[in-house]
Amino acid sequence: EGQVLESGGGLVQPGGSLRLSCAASGFTFNNYAMNWVRQAPGKGLEWVSGINSGGGGTYYADSVKGRFSISRDYSKNTLYLHMNSLRAEDTAVYYCARSRFGGHDLDSWGQGTLVTVSS
Amino acid sequence: DIQLTQSPSFLSASVGDRVTITCRASQGIWSYLAWYQQKPGKAPKLLIYEASTLQSGVPSRFSGSGSGTDFTLTISSLQPEDFAAYYCQQLDSHPLTFGGGTKVEIK
Repeated sequence: EGQVLESGGGLVQPGGSLRLSCAASGFTFNNYAMNWVRQAPGKGLEWVSGINSGGGGTYYADSVKGRFSISRDYSKNTLYLHMNSLRAEDTAVYYCARSRFGGHDLDSWGQGTLVTVSS
Repeated sequence: DIQLTQSPSFLSASVGDRVTITCRASQGIWSYLAWYQQKPGKAPKLLIYEASTLQSGVPSRFSGSGSGTDFTLTISSLQPEDFAAYYCQQLDSHPLTFGGGTKVEIK
């Protein structure tokens, strides 16, 4: 079925940077689009960014465009989210999620990693 | 960007009740809609994709319908393990937006 496992969250000051990682296992990483979704404390889900299986197509929510960058390393079966110019409103649990093969809906999720932006 | 409006945002129901949650898109999205369930402290779980296709392993009491702009998620007989938050997501175009969520609580 496949699994994904996030890491890299933590406390960062406003204006700072952080890189999240998502290690994929149990499926052919090259064949699947991947995504980041976040959830602020007590709030709903917000899709943040996605990348297609080939890596040539990247997509972003308006709220993070120009500040966040998604990438993937096929040799390491790992997805990344590079976050710059972080703001307090970026505080959230960040989930890595795999797109279902042949679709965009998210059929496999990690447990999430917490990012806190605070001075 | 496509906006999704879920209703109700909060629902109180009893075990055995039939529950319906609606999701309305700001423009037509064909059948490119998914439903997720999320329990407290856990990652979301895919229930239904392409508006009406049940994800493998999901109980048959869950069903989805709709196309275009109006969609529904129905739980035919609410079970104790179904008390959770439910979200719709449109997959028609990026950004892949979510609805605001519906929290289903025990009456």
